[in-house]
Amino acid sequence: DAGVTQSPTHLIKTRGQQVTLRCSPKSGHDTVSWYQQALGQGPQFIFQYYEEEERQRGNFPDRFSGHQFPNYSSELNVNALLLGDSALYLCASSLVSGVTYNEQFFGPGTRLTVL
Amino acid sequence: GENVEQHPSTLSVQEGDSAVIKCTYSDSASNYFPWYKQELGKRPQLIIDIRSNVGEKKDQRIAVTLNKTAKHFSLHITETQPEDSAVYFCGSGGYNKLIFGAGTRLAVHP
Repeated sequence: DAGVTQSPTHLIKTRGQQVTLRCSPKSGHDTVSWYQQALGQGPQFIFQYYEEEERQRGNFPDRFSGHQFPNYSSELNVNALLLGDSALYLCASSLVSGVTYNEQFFGPGTRLTVL
Repeated sequence: GENVEQHPSTLSVQEGDSAVIKCTYSDSASNYFPWYKQELGKRPQLIIDIRSNVGEKKDQRIAVTLNKTAKHFSLHITETQPEDSAVYFCGSGGYNKLIFGAGTRLAVHP
């Protein structure tokens, strides 16, 4: 079991561009959450996907969107990149049974730099 | 909005001493409180968690206490070791959302 994987590892973009980040959950997990972690800060919740739908969203603008595929993998898309979007983007997977909460396993992250 | 405050932001202790990190949350609906350890350049890893129907949980040198009335919870590390040096994050939420604190950088000096 490879655990949670993310690609790419690093990414450099310029302002105004669009980016897509990818996440494969841990085997057996059905839920993916995305977080933005600025340098020296805690992970900030972007949104969570379950059953291919966005179930919950944090305080992020509509420029941030996502998708979950039938195999539970997920993508995070960010449009019209700003310098302030530079951060480590973490995805975390979990198994949610009804309203029972289970441990979130984090991936290694994608380091996005916007120039 | 929902918020988690974490203190202190940095903590320096001597090997063998205890370390305590405290968090306060705002959302009274929160029922799950994990603690993650993040070493430099690595992913956050769960070290202990507690659910709202439990007041205290212990796992070897690590313990967490929860006071739902006061909306605060704490991480206690006893007999600290140099390998405990890392950034620790507290989280608060439920099955569909987790809010994290800003982190505590713990340094354990030999």
